Amino acid sequence: KNQVEQSPQSLIILEGKNCTLQCNYTVSPFSNLRWYKQDTGRGPVSLTIMTFSENTKSNGRYTATLDADTKQSSLHITASQLSDSASYICVVTDSWGKLQFGAGTQVVVTP
Amino acid sequence: GAVVSQHPSRVICKSGTSVKIECRSLDFQATTMFWYRQFPKQSLMLMATSNEGSKATYEQGVEKDKFLINHASLTLSTLTVTSAHPEDSSFYICSARRTSGGGNEQFFGPGTRLTVL
Repeated sequence: KNQVEQSPQSLIILEGKNCTLQCNYTVSPFSNLRWYKQDTGRGPVSLTIMTFSENTKSNGRYTATLDADTKQSSLHITASQLSDSASYICVVTDSWGKLQFGAGTQVVVTP
Repeated sequence: GAVVSQHPSRVICKSGTSVKIECRSLDFQATTMFWYRQFPKQSLMLMATSNEGSKATYEQGVEKDKFLINHASLTLSTLTVTSAHPEDSSFYICSARRTSGGGNEQFFGPGTRLTVL
């Protein structure tokens, strides 16, 4: 069973609207959680990283939250743009440095 | 900083041939590099961990004789897919971890699309 579950699997949003992606994990012991953006045919690019003590982290129009007690994270995209169309991957690192990847949420922003 | 490149970006080969993919850390040294495979609409799956100057560590189910990894320097790791078959067609992504000062962060390359005919 995957230790990192993401939802929804995919979503379509209108340009300018906001959306929130979810990530639940069971990875333990926990080191950090990252959100990556992966454009089609490209490698993942890091958006945010949060450790156990951090609740929120922003990077431009991207805001990630982390609840280490419930082992949940979210990525909020504000005022979406066409260039936000991509797969967003939640990656949790354990204390030994091993990465556990979520399956990703495919976001499509339409005009 | 922390740029990782891969070459080639795309390769098409005939079944039975071997294909070599290079992964380079351009502006930092990486004692450890990682090789991932990604099938359409799926997430990255770790194939092996490549350590400079020593043998790679393969994940369960990955054939080491089929996927040869060489990490000859602190900035270069290569993955050779030997006797490629159509089922090896996939998106191969490498990542590199800084030798020092970068914690556990892995920096990903842009990927290599392999198509085996």
